[in-house]
Amino acid sequence: GNSVTQMEGPVTLSEEAFLTINCTYTATGYPSLFWYVQYPGEGLQLLLKATKADDKGSNKGFEATYRKETTSFHLEKGSVQVSDSAVYFCALRGGGNTGKLIFGQGTTLQVKP
Amino acid sequence: NAGVTQTPKFQVLKTGQSMTLQCAQDMNHNSMYWYRQDPGMGLRLIYYSASEGTTDKGEVPNGYNVSRLNKREFSLRLESAAPSQTSVYFCASSEPMTGRGNQPQHFGDGTRLSIL
Repeated sequence: GNSVTQMEGPVTLSEEAFLTINCTYTATGYPSLFWYVQYPGEGLQLLLKATKADDKGSNKGFEATYRKETTSFHLEKGSVQVSDSAVYFCALRGGGNTGKLIFGQGTTLQVKP
Repeated sequence: NAGVTQTPKFQVLKTGQSMTLQCAQDMNHNSMYWYRQDPGMGLRLIYYSASEGTTDKGEVPNGYNVSRLNKREFSLRLESAAPSQTSVYFCASSEPMTGRGNQPQHFGDGTRLSIL
């Protein structure tokens, strides 16, 4: 079945450091891929998405490229801020018409000033 | 913009008690979902409703029931709460998949449920 694996956290960085959070997936067909962010005490918000191979999703300085050859969708940001501290979830949506998402386990990012 | 509204935000129950978590969305979405979030396990789908009048089991449906009351509302019921159901519960909604299905899900702020 479909699955998503994220790197273990927590990830602790200093402000302005480069961020990479790894995400790999297993899926049949051509899934859509998403990154969601969860700030403390809140629900999940869509951060970015990509719907086909080689698509690059981007938002708020974050980027991720859909790599079908390596089944990966790694999240990157060139210079993190304290306000980026949150939990990040990689997710995929497979075929069919249900819209169901499969989530990774989440990666906690802590950015120190 | 209300989006997806969940009630209550917090609840403490005793083992064996029952309760219903409420969810309503004002985006005219057809599909709605209930997830639970546990440490180190991400979000797992409990039940979903692809459209008004339909419901289907997700990954972890045991111990739960759902009702799609109308297009706006999708409730989750615990008939006899167990400590293993202590979790944070999230409701989400979206448009159904079309084409490559890039419609995102919109989430509520969650219900933090503790069962003693």
